[in-house]
Amino acid sequence: EDQVTQSPEALRLQEGESSSLNCSYTVSGLRGLFWYRQDPGKGPEFLFTLYSAGEEKEKERLKATLTKKESFLHITAPKPEDSATYLCAVQASSSNTGKLIFGQGTTLQVKP
Amino acid sequence: DSGVTQTPKHLITATGQRVTLRCSPRSGDLSVYWYQQSLDQGLQFLIQYYNGEERAKGNILERFSAQQFPDLHSELNLSSLELGDSALYFCASSLAGGLGEQYFGPGTRLTVT
Repeated sequence: EDQVTQSPEALRLQEGESSSLNCSYTVSGLRGLFWYRQDPGKGPEFLFTLYSAGEEKEKERLKATLTKKESFLHITAPKPEDSATYLCAVQASSSNTGKLIFGQGTTLQVKP
Repeated sequence: DSGVTQTPKHLITATGQRVTLRCSPRSGDLSVYWYQQSLDQGLQFLIQYYNGEERAKGNILERFSAQQFPDLHSELNLSSLELGDSALYFCASSLAGGLGEQYFGPGTRLTVT
């Protein structure tokens, strides 16, 4: 069964304290891995798509990387406005559709 | 703003009732997806439509149904509502029917009392 696991469930950082969020996946074949940001009560906001191992994408203080078994979202010198839940999702080869399989998310809190 | 719109924002109804949630995709997108988000289950895929046709089904209950109209907007119908159906319902859209990022709407919060 295709599965996505994110860790940690929650993360508290001081402003400027860099860290990484992990997304481990078990799928029959990875077609794409996606990172989203979700603020409370809002819809997920698209951040990155990664398609193959070794690929990296960057946006401001965020950098996403991908290996054959997991992805990392690195947050460099975070600010309080980076506080949100970060969701990882995959599209699997077992499905020739756009179905996304989501992890449970990591809730990040950045304190000033 | 993702460009995906959903109405209504909030819906409060009683058990046994039926409701309709509406979604308009981003301009140019042909696929519409419906997801349910509850505290214990996270984001769960319900169903996908591509250019008016059903493309994929997830763990969607038989009491739930959806359709996509010729103008590409979509409706999710929930009937015989139960307390456990209370959740956030999100619509997302994408350009194509398969691989590629999806853009999510603001969601409809459904409360069943």
